[in-house]
Amino acid sequence: DTAVSQTPKYLVTQMGNDKSIKCEQNLGHDTMYWYKQDSKKFLKIMFSYNNKELIINETVPNRFSPKSPDKAHLNLHINSLELGDSAVYFCASSQAPGSPLHFGNGTRLTVT
Amino acid sequence: SQQGEEDPQALSIQEGENATMNCSYKTSINNLQWYRQNSGRGLVHLILIRSNEREKHSGRLRVTLDTSKKSSSLLITASRAADTASYFCATDESGAGSYQLTFGKGTKLSVIP
Repeated sequence: DTAVSQTPKYLVTQMGNDKSIKCEQNLGHDTMYWYKQDSKKFLKIMFSYNNKELIINETVPNRFSPKSPDKAHLNLHINSLELGDSAVYFCASSQAPGSPLHFGNGTRLTVT
Repeated sequence: SQQGEEDPQALSIQEGENATMNCSYKTSINNLQWYRQNSGRGLVHLILIRSNEREKHSGRLRVTLDTSKKSSSLLITASRAADTASYFCATDESGAGSYQLTFGKGTKLSVIP
């Protein structure tokens, strides 16, 4: 069973479009995250959710909005996509704050 | 802001040799973690060392932590081709609410068969 799964794996879209990436974890973790990995492999935290409440929003443009229907899911919605949004987006979860993260396999977003 | 800085950025060794990667950070931490990322995959947690620990082992992995120098090292002994991957350190910063880990830029390790 996949612990943290995200879909789609690849997403190619045009500038200005709106898209969503879905994430689900079956580990029973209370905290979920979205990270962005750029072309130089640098990982930056975007959001973290603990018990459905947003904990951190790291200067991410408000075009990005996390949505959590329940504690097993944290989806990422992006409005008005820009070229600079092209990256790999990773969902992750952890059992407790500061404990090891379990990552999904990423969604490679390409904006043309 | 970026916390961890790994060096070297890239490392190429022969199978069977040891690989050492270093990580430096800037602020006080609760713990430091190392992760591996294979090409096209998500990160996988390898080992966690707490701020009051100095050394930790897990199989062929050995991690050290020097909080006075704000640095850590990851040693992989008797490397294998399957160890080829990028390795990242991540810090759980004291006082940051512990809801985020801050990652470094990673070391790309190539193990040549």
